[in-house]
Amino acid sequence: DVKVTQSSRYLVKRTGEKVFLECVQDMDHENMFWYRQDPGLGLRLIYFSYDVKMKEKGDIPEGYSVSREKKERFSLILESASTNQTSMYLCASRESRQGSGEQYFGPGTRLTVT
Amino acid sequence: AQKITQTQPGMFVQEKEAVTLDCTYDTSDPSYGLFWYKQPSSGEMIFLIYQGSYDQQNATEGRYSLNFQKARKSANLVISASQLGDSAMYFCAMREAFGNEKLTFGTGTRLTIIP
Repeated sequence: DVKVTQSSRYLVKRTGEKVFLECVQDMDHENMFWYRQDPGLGLRLIYFSYDVKMKEKGDIPEGYSVSREKKERFSLILESASTNQTSMYLCASRESRQGSGEQYFGPGTRLTVT
Repeated sequence: AQKITQTQPGMFVQEKEAVTLDCTYDTSDPSYGLFWYKQPSSGEMIFLIYQGSYDQQNATEGRYSLNFQKARKSANLVISASQLGDSAMYFCAMREAFGNEKLTFGTGTRLTIIP
């Protein structure tokens, strides 16, 4: 079974802090994704990576950066956390291939910025 | 325009009844894929079913089936014989061939199964 893990289920940070959210997958997937989920808005893509050291902006990249130094690990960085970044953050991975290629999700990190 | 539209924010259904969750989509890409995910209260997203735009038959996976009407740009999820464990948020999503592998999600439908 594919396993995607995220470093924390719950996180509380203060405004202005630098925040790291870590995601690790164990299936050698090329593609990895970071989403945020807010009530009434569904999931929105922040950044994705299709290979080591490669990244592309999603729909809402402002205020975020990412790092992918190893294939299995994809980090989301909030350089200076703000209260409007309080949200549920979901990481996902996917093989780069034809067919359905569904994305496998981690359990999510609920981040609160105070 | 919204790429994925789920018009039912919430639904209540009696246990053992069938339920249809609506999803319409908008794309000009001839090649795309449609997905349904389930999110229980625990938070993880669980993949349920996939339909490719060129698939001739509607996808089925156990109690889940996808009613794909291409001309109407509709991809409704049908759950037969609903169970209490089906209570969850359900998200429809689309991947376009020229969309760089990303999924675009709808806003979701909260399904509650009543005993």
